[in-house]
Amino acid sequence: GAGVSQTPSNKVTEKGKYVELRCDPISGHTALYWYRQSLGQGPEFLIYFQGTGAADDSGLPNDRFFAVRPEGSVSTLKIQRTERGDSAVYLCASSAGGNTEAFFGQGTRLTVV
Amino acid sequence: AQSVTQLDSQVPVFEEAPVELRCNYSSSVSVYLFWYVQYPNQGLQLLLKYLSGSTLVKGINGFEAEFNKSQTSFHLRKPSVHISDTAEYFCAVSSRGGSQGNLIFGKGTKLSVKP
Repeated sequence: GAGVSQTPSNKVTEKGKYVELRCDPISGHTALYWYRQSLGQGPEFLIYFQGTGAADDSGLPNDRFFAVRPEGSVSTLKIQRTERGDSAVYLCASSAGGNTEAFFGQGTRLTVV
Repeated sequence: AQSVTQLDSQVPVFEEAPVELRCNYSSSVSVYLFWYVQYPNQGLQLLLKYLSGSTLVKGINGFEAEFNKSQTSFHLRKPSVHISDTAEYFCAVSSRGGSQGNLIFGKGTKLSVKP
């Protein structure tokens, strides 16, 4: 695709439910990043993939959060037992790796009620 | 550890006036700095970046920024703003060498341009 695509654009879920957020990176981009942007804050790093493996998952807040990228392209961020504090915009970015520019998607707005 | 401080949460300015959005950073390693813009309901768009070389960096939409190592600053400037510049602006520092994807962001500055 032309850019980073994130689906869904909006997701409303009930507290305690499981959600999956999807990111389609730019074709050929080997590096993929997830960020979380809470209201009134800048984006906060969650996890970075190089290829299929998570090169850095130090930003995941707890073990309810997990992300995969099984074929080195599409990535899914998974949140178990959602809490109201998980409500935020989840951003995905991709790059060609190394020191190349990263491009961001428009994000998924998650609301936990 | 790296960090970024954006000193102003909101900056109101009249159209055609100059503007400066302030950003200070702390880093114990080589510094790579970025400014992103986020329009309402849109993703982040890179305005400009400093990786090395000239300390004065020119970006898109007439913006520029100056890297000042002694003052640990990377302020964003535009000599004459337009209504369309109304958006939120984020300063960021790379947290992993020169990686442009592993970033630490400031809290953002909302620029409001009034006619």
